[in-house]
Amino acid sequence: AQTVTQSQPEMSVQEAETVTLSCTYDTSESDYYLFWYKQPPSRQMILVIRQEAYKQQNATENRFSVNFQKAAKSFSLKISDSQLGDAAMYFCAYRLYFGNEKLTFGTGTRLTIIP
Amino acid sequence: GAGVSQSPSNKVTEKGKDVELRCDPISGHTALYWYRQSLGQGLEFLIYFQGNSAPDKSGLPSDRFSAERTGGSVSTLTIQRTQQEDSAVYLCASSLRTGANQETQYFGPGTRLLVL
Repeated sequence: AQTVTQSQPEMSVQEAETVTLSCTYDTSESDYYLFWYKQPPSRQMILVIRQEAYKQQNATENRFSVNFQKAAKSFSLKISDSQLGDAAMYFCAYRLYFGNEKLTFGTGTRLTIIP
Repeated sequence: GAGVSQSPSNKVTEKGKDVELRCDPISGHTALYWYRQSLGQGLEFLIYFQGNSAPDKSGLPSDRFSAERTGGSVSTLTIQRTQQEDSAVYLCASSLRTGANQETQYFGPGTRLLVL
């Protein structure tokens, strides 16, 4: 079974600084997707960024980028120029490319932005 | 609507009562998922619907839980004889199965269930 581990229950960063959230996963599959979702106090899960495992190039979305290390099964999220609106729970998630489409989530990292 | 909607937003019920939670997916999305988010268990997959195929019920925790999807659109998650351990946020998501971003699941705001 696939597992996703987020070893940082809480992180904090000064506004405008850069922070990196860690995620590791365990799978025997070679084709899969990885995601970072953000969950603010409103509860709604919002997609931040996604990565296809077959792509070597790291995904980027504006201030958000990932460091995808397939051999190490690592998928960290870097947030640059942190803003107050980035404060939320961040969840790393895994999904098979083919077959079972359920998301397997990590336990989340609570990110606090310090003004 | 533009996004996934869920109702009610919050539900308080007494132990032993039945509850129904509703999910309205994004128009055109053929896949629909239910997840549960609780303090003790984190985010867990419950059930997955895709078109007219038989649903994947592998995540349902007990036979008190059931779900249906009518007309390939709206879905209802039913919990019978609720227990206190059913207290959680129930999240619904939908996705396309073809085209750009077909692998991405879009979530609703969830229903917070409290069983007294």
